[in-house]
Amino acid sequence: DAGVIQSPRHEVTEMGQEVTLRCKPISGHNSLFWYRQTMMRGLELLIYFNNNVPIDDSGMPEDRFSAKMPNASFSTLKIQPSEPRDSAVYFCASSFLTAGNNEQFFGPGTRLTVL
Amino acid sequence: DAKTTQPPSMDCAEGRAANLPCNHSTISGNEYVYWYRQIHSQGPQYIIHGLKNNETNEMASLIITEDRKSSTLILPHATLRDTAVYYCIVGGNRDDKIIFGKGTRLHILP
Repeated sequence: DAGVIQSPRHEVTEMGQEVTLRCKPISGHNSLFWYRQTMMRGLELLIYFNNNVPIDDSGMPEDRFSAKMPNASFSTLKIQPSEPRDSAVYFCASSFLTAGNNEQFFGPGTRLTVL
Repeated sequence: DAKTTQPPSMDCAEGRAANLPCNHSTISGNEYVYWYRQIHSQGPQYIIHGLKNNETNEMASLIITEDRKSSTLILPHATLRDTAVYYCIVGGNRDDKIIFGKGTRLHILP
């Protein structure tokens, strides 16, 4: 298995533009997580899905952020409009969530720079 | 908020055992202890987890105290490639999210 795949790996955009980050989880996993990492705030959970259904989006910073998981093999995180403070590394992770096991496998991340 | 307390940084000589402590005094009965690490510029990597028994795998050993209020991650023979930030996390049971704290930055010294 190729692991969790994220695209793009790097994104540079200008303030006000729409940004879409993509994630392909590991085949067979039933949960998907979106995280954001900055020097100031560390690694923050934004939202997670279980069986394609959003379970907890309390970490989504504001309405400019939205996430979808149309099927078990694909998810997107969209920022519209983007702002410079959104600059961060965004990680996607997946797991096969069962009782007693939430081992998450992380992708390589997307480094977003908003100018 | 993270439910764990870890020292911000530690040093360990290459070839020696690295012992990383973690306090989780508010852990509840059905919560697990997870350890992840993050090597610079990479995504976090799962290491090990446990409920109350000590655990060992090819990467590390996890020692959990009998009262479950603290644990220690042991890397038996540290190498330079073990330089990373190590996160101790409590939770992660079914349908439960895991919250990353600030972790311990481990420096392996040659």
